[in-house]
Amino acid sequence: NFVLTQPHSVSEPPGKTVTISCTRSSGSIASNYVQWYQQRPGTSPTTVIYVDDLRPSGVPDRFSGSIDYSSKSASLTISGLTTEDEADYYCQSYDGTSWVFGGGTKLTVL
Amino acid sequence: EVQLVESGGGLLQPGGSLRLSCEASGFSFRNYEMHWIRQAPGKGLEWLSYISGGGDTIYYADSLQGRFTISRDNAKKSLYLQMNRLRVEDTALYYCARFLGAGLHYLDVWGRGTTVIVSS
Repeated sequence: NFVLTQPHSVSEPPGKTVTISCTRSSGSIASNYVQWYQQRPGTSPTTVIYVDDLRPSGVPDRFSGSIDYSSKSASLTISGLTTEDEADYYCQSYDGTSWVFGGGTKLTVL
Repeated sequence: EVQLVESGGGLLQPGGSLRLSCEASGFSFRNYEMHWIRQAPGKGLEWLSYISGGGDTIYYADSLQGRFTISRDNAKKSLYLQMNRLRVEDTALYYCARFLGAGLHYLDVWGRGTTVIVSS
């Protein structure tokens, strides 16, 4: 199995852009799709990015996903930050019969 | 309305057993693959188990070491997680979630979770 490593926390002021990384410990980041989930305090997670870089209906285009094959990393970028974006963000991927979540990144918008 | 509602959580001692349920409504349950995920207090998400729509394909996280069993009853539109030999570290909020396969590959509906507390 592999591990997905995310920064513990990031912080940016409103209106700025933030990028959250998710690095896969072994195997190619491109071999299985990466998803990103947003979890606001006290609520269940919701999907903001699926299949590396696609947005579910209803997710603003301020959210984007990408894959860097050279660094084995996926990234979630949020532009035009608002206080509503303050939440925990989790990347997720899989490998055959096993699903893996990253440890989560706490985004503070202040 | 598409909805998942978990139940069955509670407070129990180490070594005990518990069965969690997840009742689905608003969609054709048998057509969807399902997952269990948990979240320990103040911690991140941990994937536990997967079951196919017909229940014939099942996967578990290695960390469970055979203590948990996932199952489903499509006639009752319900998903289950039988948890045995519970440990203090199994204390968590347990979510069930619907998986959108067919090239979409994400969990699109989550329940609100049911809380399990294992303590002596």
